[in-house]
Amino acid sequence: SQKIEQNSEALNIQEGKTATLTCNYTNYSPAYLQWYRQDPGRGPVFLLLIRENEKEKRKERLKVTFDTTLKQSLFHITASQPADSATYLCALRNTGGFKTIFGAGTRLFVKA
Amino acid sequence: GAGVSQSPSNKVTEKGKDVELRCDPISGHTALYWYRQRLGQGLEFLIYFQGNSAPDKSGLPSDRFSAERTGESVSTLTIQRTQQEDSAVYLCASSWSRDTTNYGYTFGSGTRLTVV
Repeated sequence: SQKIEQNSEALNIQEGKTATLTCNYTNYSPAYLQWYRQDPGRGPVFLLLIRENEKEKRKERLKVTFDTTLKQSLFHITASQPADSATYLCALRNTGGFKTIFGAGTRLFVKA
Repeated sequence: GAGVSQSPSNKVTEKGKDVELRCDPISGHTALYWYRQRLGQGLEFLIYFQGNSAPDKSGLPSDRFSAERTGESVSTLTIQRTQQEDSAVYLCASSWSRDTTNYGYTFGSGTRLTVV
């Protein structure tokens, strides 16, 4: 069955360092891969979308890579800040489809 | 409105009662989605509406769940004869169309349902 795996263990890093989160998937050929941020008690907030024919995308301090051979996406936050502390969700969708499946997310803690 | 609005924000109900959850999408967004998020888990797709097309209900977990949408506006998710396993946060999202391009989905803050 289709599965998205994100590290269930929280990631703790020091302010100013680069945070790297991993998203692996199986039995899926996504056309789009998205990353969302979710704060406690709130709905997810869209951050970045990367297409299957794109290797990398950047937005300010964020960088996403997409390797369809490894079936993996990496999400980087450079110069991390305590305000970046949140849960980050990976989401996949097929071409022409509408159903987006979400991973369980990885909790990030950035210490001052 | 400026964002996706969901009501109520919290709902506590007794097992066996029916509940109705409401979602007001962003004006102009033709696509609307309902997801369920259990504690510590990812989002579970429930149902999708696109304009006036027939909704895709393939994610609804049982016939106790149903949803309606009037045109491209408000949607309601109804859970009949609630069970404790229905306890979760129910999230609604909308987008311009089923092609999210660079904008992804816009989510509401969710309705936290607790069945006691």
